[in-house]
Amino acid sequence: QKEVEQNSGPLSVPEGAIASLNCTYSDRGSQSFFWYRQYSGKSPELIMFIYSNGDKEDGRFTAQLNKASQYVSLLIRDSQPSDSATYLCAVNIRQGADGLTFGKGTHLIIQP
Amino acid sequence: DVKVTQSSRYLVKRTGEKVFLECVQDMDHENMFWYRQDPGLGLRLIYFSYDVKMKEKGDIPEGYSVSREKKERFSLILESASTNQTSMYLCASSLAGIGSGELFFGEGSRLTVL
Repeated sequence: QKEVEQNSGPLSVPEGAIASLNCTYSDRGSQSFFWYRQYSGKSPELIMFIYSNGDKEDGRFTAQLNKASQYVSLLIRDSQPSDSATYLCAVNIRQGADGLTFGKGTHLIIQP
Repeated sequence: DVKVTQSSRYLVKRTGEKVFLECVQDMDHENMFWYRQDPGLGLRLIYFSYDVKMKEKGDIPEGYSVSREKKERFSLILESASTNQTSMYLCASSLAGIGSGELFFGEGSRLTVL
């Protein structure tokens, strides 16, 4: 079974520091990679996507992709208490089809 | 704003009952999805649909069926509910396009099967 793996955490980071979230995937043919944020009791919402090797920055968020190592990461700079949430890595594993495969998520806690 | 509306936030059903979960989106999206989310197991894809009357099995379709008679509506059906189908069910939609990836989720339907 094709999988997406994340450390469940919790990952505890002091306010103002960099939070680093990691994800690995098993299908070398995967093309599209996404990070969703889910607050407790809420639905997931997309925060970033990345298709090409390297870094992609959007405000305080940077997604990093290394297809050779089958590794995706999300960096959150200047972490805020409002960043406390579960972060879901998602991969489009189905070739020629939509419908994402999600990791189980990493629970991030930003300590004030 | 895209709005995905799930008809029921909370349902309690008995084992063996037939259960309908309804989902409507208002942004003319081609793709619609049903996921379930369980602690420790994450989000798992049950079924999805690219177009009216089309459906595709996801990773865990057993015990479920779906219906898409209109573009904006995607229904999940549990023919005979069982206790292991107690879960949070999330509907999502997205624009067509391979790997577009931006799923818009509804607020979820928490189903308890007794």
